Amino acid sequence: EVQLVESGGGLVQPGGSLRLSCAASGFTFSSYWMHWVRQAPGKGLVWVSHINSDGSSTTYADSVKGRFTISRDNAKNTLYLQMNSLRAEDTAVYYCARDGIGSTHYFDYWGQGTLVTVSS
Amino acid sequence: SYELTQPPSVSVSPGQTASITCSGDKLGDKYACWYQQKPGQSPVLVIYQDDKRPSGIPERFSGSNSGNTATLTISGTQAMDEADYYCQAWGSSTVLFGGGTKLTVL
Repeated sequence: EVQLVESGGGLVQPGGSLRLSCAASGFTFSSYWMHWVRQAPGKGLVWVSHINSDGSSTTYADSVKGRFTISRDNAKNTLYLQMNSLRAEDTAVYYCARDGIGSTHYFDYWGQGTLVTVSS
Repeated sequence: SYELTQPPSVSVSPGQTASITCSGDKLGDKYACWYQQKPGQSPVLVIYQDDKRPSGIPERFSGSNSGNTATLTISGTQAMDEADYYCQAWGSSTVLFGGGTKLTVL
């Protein structure tokens, strides 16, 4: 059974940092692109970042470029999102999601999400 | 920048057909997919590559994509289908989501 379990969310002050993790199981993690998607309270889904299967290529939404870093450890079956210089508008539930097989760019599995709150 | 536009809300009576649209410039040239999200839950993929249903998704869910519009159709809508629905496409090496449509079954 495919499972994606996010962790690392919490309350952080503006300007602070946080690292999210997404532990994957039930599939060959190293074969899939992975993504982070966020959802502010009461708002829609917003794509944040993706990383290819071996970690050699990453892309970011303009709103987080230069502040967030996506990475992965295929030996540990874990996806990460390092978030620096956090702003109030980064407050959201952050989901990790698996890309469809063959890098087809739809998300066939999602984690349960982890809430990040940026507030003083 | 490229945008996907969805109606904020759609209402349907139980047993009737609901159609939710997603508009974008030449969207038909890209693959579109759709997610269902119920309150407090993670999104669930219901349609991918325009018209394919993942395993476990009921046959009443179908999709199409042509020209500038992708459409999610729910035939024989049930109360359990009440949820937010999001379209998504891939363009310029980034992922694009529509703003979401709240489907009300009343």
